[in-house]
Formats: sequence, C-alpha cells, structure tokens
Amino acid sequence: QLQLQESGPGLVKPSETLSLTCTVSGGSISSSSYYWGWIRQPPGKGLEWIGSIYYSGSTYYNPSLKSRVTISVDTSKNQFSLKLSSVTAADTAVYYCARLELHQLLLDYWGQGTLVTVSS
Amino acid sequence: SYVLTQPPSVSVAPGQTARITCGGNNIGSKSVHWYQQKPGQAPVLVVYDDSDRPSGIPERFSGSNSGNTATLTISRVEAGDEADYYCQVWDSSSDHSFVFGTGTKVTVL
Repeated sequence: QLQLQESGPGLVKPSETLSLTCTVSGGSISSSSYYWGWIRQPPGKGLEWIGSIYYSGSTYYNPSLKSRVTISVDTSKNQFSLKLSSVTAADTAVYYCARLELHQLLLDYWGQGTLVTVSS
Repeated sequence: SYVLTQPPSVSVAPGQTARITCGGNNIGSKSVHWYQQKPGQAPVLVVYDDSDRPSGIPERFSGSNSGNTATLTISRVEAGDEADYYCQVWDSSSDHSFVFGTGTKVTVL
C-alpha cells in the first residue's frame, strides 16, 4: 500500500523559507505514470494546489505562488521536497503531499498533512 | 484563471439525497473529480471522471457533468457522510494548473 509522509518544521518565522519533505513508501517515485504534488489548506479554508513534479524533475507550479516556490525530487531517497520563500502569516496552513495520477489528472493518494505556522 | 464555485453548505436529513454543485465555465468539457474531507483528515477521492467511483466507495455516491455545472449526488445520506466536499479539474490553459472548488460543507441533520 502506497504511503506518503510529510516532514519538516512546524514553525517558521516571517520572511524565512518554509521547507518540507515528502517520503514515499510502498511504491517508486520514479514511476512514469505519476507526478507528485503539494497542496495546502489554511485553517478553516479550502484546498490550494501549490505545484507538482515528475521524477525527471519537470515541474508545474500554481501561477499565484510560482515566484516563491521550488519543488525538487530525490529519486535515490524516494522523496520530493517543497521550499516556499518569504513566508508570511498567510502561508500558515496544513501542507499535504499527494500522488498525481497522470491519465486522469487526479490526486489518488495523500499524506496525512502537516501544520506549518508562520509566526515570530 | 479558471474558477470553480460551490455552495458553502448543504443540509440534508438522513436517508435523503444531497446534491452538491460545482460551477465553472464550460465545465462539461472537462473531467471533474470529487474529494471528501472529514475533520482532521486528508481528502479522499470519492468520484472521478465525472461519474466513476474508486474501489471501496459506496454506490450511493454518483456524479454528473454537463454545460456549466457538475454535480455530486449522495443518495440515502448517512451520518458518516457529513464532511467537506471539493470538486477538482485540471486547467490546461492556465499553466497546467490543478483547480479546486471552493468547497461545500455537508451537514446531516
């Protein structure tokens, strides 16, 4: 059974860079059938797609976050990572990693999510 | 950018039918997927490609999509169906973006 697990600091200071890693187990991140993505959800609000990456390193980003987002992949560790720079309180959210199925363009497996709070 | 609009809330009595709409410009030309999210949990896919169900999802969940509106229908609603529901499409015209609907809270009375 595929599992995804987010990890990283739960508290980040304003203007600093948020960094999270998603570890994939029970399957290979190098599969040609999937992208791997990040989604976030501010407290009490809806879902927002951040971006996605292929095992080759090809990326797609949400245009509204593109200038601050970098997603990378490490196939040797079966992990992919998110960096979001110049964070503000508006970036406080639960951050999810998920598998993006390429044929139907949907998210079929999700991590449990991790809360990141931006505060001094 | 492409926008998907859902009603903020839907209330339904147990055993009745809940219908959740997802409005978008010519959404009928896109494949729509629906996710259920219970408090403190990650979303779960309940309908994909407008009307198909993943393995393990009850037949009570169904979907349709035409024109400018997609609809998720939950028949014979149970208390366990109380959750937030989100529609989602892939917008190939906007930097190849995932787009989520605004979300609908389903309350079982």
